[in-house]
Amino acid sequence: GAGVSQSPSNKVTEKGKDVELRCDPISGHTALYWYRQSLGQGLEFLIYFQGNSAPDKSGLPSDRFSAERTGGSVSTLTIQRTQQEDSAVYLCASSLGQGPYEQYFGPGTRLTVT
Amino acid sequence: AQSVAQPEDQVNVAEGNPLTVKCTYSVSGNPYLFWYVQYPNRGLQFLLKYITGDNLVKGSYGFEAEFNKSQTSFHLKKPSALVSDSALYFCAVRDAAGNTPLVFGKGTRLSVIA
Repeated sequence: GAGVSQSPSNKVTEKGKDVELRCDPISGHTALYWYRQSLGQGLEFLIYFQGNSAPDKSGLPSDRFSAERTGGSVSTLTIQRTQQEDSAVYLCASSLGQGPYEQYFGPGTRLTVT
Repeated sequence: AQSVAQPEDQVNVAEGNPLTVKCTYSVSGNPYLFWYVQYPNRGLQFLLKYITGDNLVKGSYGFEAEFNKSQTSFHLKKPSALVSDSALYFCAVRDAAGNTPLVFGKGTRLSVIA
């Protein structure tokens, strides 16, 4: 079946502009996660959604970052007033739920802020 | 709080030799443990997980990992390395109790030399 998809695959934006990154999870997966991976670094947790529960936003680095998940499916990560330090690969993952379920990752969106 | 340590940034091994990528963890309760692999310019792929039961877990591509509760370790192993195993490997953990996000290690780059 179809995996997790993300768009765009690459995004170049000017400092100060807003960007939206999209994630389409695997159908039927109730949990959705956003991570950030800087060059050569590990994964930094940003936010996760589980069903209809309030999202866990504990990893968002600043109030310029926000995310929503509509209809329990597609999610959008928005970064306002982008800064150069926001440049990274943004990864989305989904899973059947929390607990023992493995996460399936999308290919990522490479964001470059100039 | 939960955490993961991958003490080696880089592991080099000759093709055909056994390989080990180390991971230690810290959680307050029982752990769920995962290994993921990231090939160049690709998203993360799930390799294997430990939830409960047998301490030796077998996964994709001939990899296995051994859960050692007393040493709080979950090392990834393969009896005979292939050049195609060269990639970035991530260990991850979450507490089986509660609803905390998965925590990833910083990753270990494996290079298999022909």
